[in-house]
Parts: sequence; structure tokens; C-alpha cells
Amino acid sequence: EIVLTQSPGSLSLSPGERATLSCRASQSVTSSFLAWYQQKPGQAPRLLIYGASNRATGIPDRFSGGGSGTDFTLSINRLEPEDFAVYYCQQYGGSPYTFGQGTKLEI
Amino acid sequence: QVQLVQSGVEVKKPGTSVKVSCKVSGYTFANYAISWVRQAPGQGLEWLGWISPKNDNTDYAQKLQDRVTMTTDTSSQTAFLELRSLRSDDTAVYYCARRADHFDYWGQGTLVTVSS
Repeated sequence: EIVLTQSPGSLSLSPGERATLSCRASQSVTSSFLAWYQQKPGQAPRLLIYGASNRATGIPDRFSGGGSGTDFTLSINRLEPEDFAVYYCQQYGGSPYTFGQGTKLEI
Repeated sequence: QVQLVQSGVEVKKPGTSVKVSCKVSGYTFANYAISWVRQAPGQGLEWLGWISPKNDNTDYAQKLQDRVTMTTDTSSQTAFLELRSLRSDDTAVYYCARRADHFDYWGQGTLVTVSS
């Protein structure tokens, strides 16, 4: 099984700043089959990025994803107050699909 | 618009079973798999598996393979997750989501509490 390790565990930033979140895989993720989700308290996760760099429908362009192989990043430019949440990466290149443990983005 | 609406809160005793439903609307049910993901209190996300409504193909997480069954009813556009021999560490919010790979639409979640 592919283990995903996210860093940092938590990140404190201010609105207007840029956030960079990391997701490292224990082995190469096939065809960059990696997604990023945002989750706010009491809500279901929301898909942000799939295929490592493709924004999901309705996701603002201040969210961007990159990387390949074992190293992936999610960048959020010009943080808005509603961006403060927990972010998860997920690989779907091979079963079992796995999630990272999450990065909490705090104001 | 695409919607996935799940059944309500469940409280179960250890050793019993639970069946959670996920009714979809706004798209052709047969065209996309339904995945299930759970989240224990204060914890991260755990993938449980997926089912294709088109041909009932499934892929289950190995750790649950002996206790889980996913099914669909195309007539009512509903997917089901059954988990047997419940234990306290099965206490979680269970989510259904559309697609087998990356999950683009999610249900609202169903809290399942296992307690004696």
C-alpha cells in the first residue's frame, strides 16, 4: 500500500499570504493519480485538484497543484478567510487508495 | 444538480450490523461508481472501497474485506454499505462519494456509533 505523508502537520498563515502544502508518497504514484481535498469542520470533503494539477469544477485559480512521482504540492495564493481548513491528499494510482493524514491550515 | 443524500444517524451494539444508504440524483447512476470513505472522530479519511452500479464490480479495502458488502439498486438510484460484526473502532462518519478514483461529489455523511 502507498503511504502518503503530508507536511507540515499544521500551518499558520494570514489572509493574503501564500500556502504551500506537501504530500510525499512511499512509492511512485502511477500517472500522477493524486487528488487534493479541502475539509471544513462538520462538512464533507471537497475535491480541489485531481490528476495532480487539474482544478475541479468551480475551484478558484488561486488553488494549484503540481508534482509527479513521489512528491506533490498544493499551493494556495492570496489566502482568503474561507481557505482555512484541513487539506488531504489522496492517491488513486493503485488499490488500496490511500489518504494522507492531513494538513491543518490555520489563521 | 448532482446530489448524494445519505441515511441518518445509527447507534449500534458491538457485534451487530449496519446498512447505510446513499441516494443519488442529478446524473445517470450507472455511469459512475460509488465509493465509500469513513472518518473516525477527530481523525483523517479512510478509503473503504467502491462499487460500479453498471456491473456490480467492487474493490474493497483489504482490512474490511471480510465484514463489508457494497450493493446498489439501480431502480431507486441508491447505493448501500453494509458493515458486519461491528466494533467500537468502527465508530465514524461514513461518506459516499461519486467516482471510483477521485471523488467529485460527496454525501453529507452518516454517523455510525458503536457502543454497548
